[in-house]
Amino acid sequence: EPEVTQTPSHQVTQMGQEVILRCVPISNHLYFYWYRQILGQKVEFLVSFYNNEISEKSEIFDDQFSVERPDGSNFTLKIRSTKLEDSAMYFCASSRQRNTEAFFGQGTRLTVV
Amino acid sequence: ILNVEQSPQSLHVQEGDSTNFTCSFPSSNFYALHWYRWETAKSPEALFVMTLNGDEKKKGRISATLNTKEGYSYLYIKGSQPEDSATYLCAFRGSQGNLIFGKGTKLSVKP
Repeated sequence: EPEVTQTPSHQVTQMGQEVILRCVPISNHLYFYWYRQILGQKVEFLVSFYNNEISEKSEIFDDQFSVERPDGSNFTLKIRSTKLEDSAMYFCASSRQRNTEAFFGQGTRLTVV
Repeated sequence: ILNVEQSPQSLHVQEGDSTNFTCSFPSSNFYALHWYRWETAKSPEALFVMTLNGDEKKKGRISATLNTKEGYSYLYIKGSQPEDSATYLCAFRGSQGNLIFGKGTKLSVKP
């Protein structure tokens, strides 16, 4: 069964460093998303991506964040200069259409020290 | 600010009990309501996508209902089993397209 895969599963980084979280969405899906969950809090929307551009983004998704689909299969989230409060579980998801179910990856646990 | 609430926060039941929990969401600009089942260390698994007022969906022992006019959805589990233990998330999709999640209901089923 097709699935969304994310790497790495756990990333530890120093404050101020850049990190890139990688995702391979399901191959025939057109919409891609990043969500995050800070420990003990709700899953929060970060950004959606369609047709090689950002379609929606939340207030969390500031200039420190960027997304890219560099090669037609990977979908990456870059955080330029990580802060302690960026520590969270980051989930990638994809859906075939805008209104169909989103399939989630297993998440990348980012720890900023 | 759009808010999605789930209750109860956690639930402990015995094997064989039937249970239900609630998701409340904004009744305006409704597009879809999603239910996910999330086991620890796994990715959230899609259970249902519901779009029409009065929708009822069923998957095995799990079913869900939707009332878009009053802004709530119920998830029912009939004859709970230990393997049903998980966090059940609902997510509201409004006209803007992204999913807004509730905090989830954590279900523990004791054998």
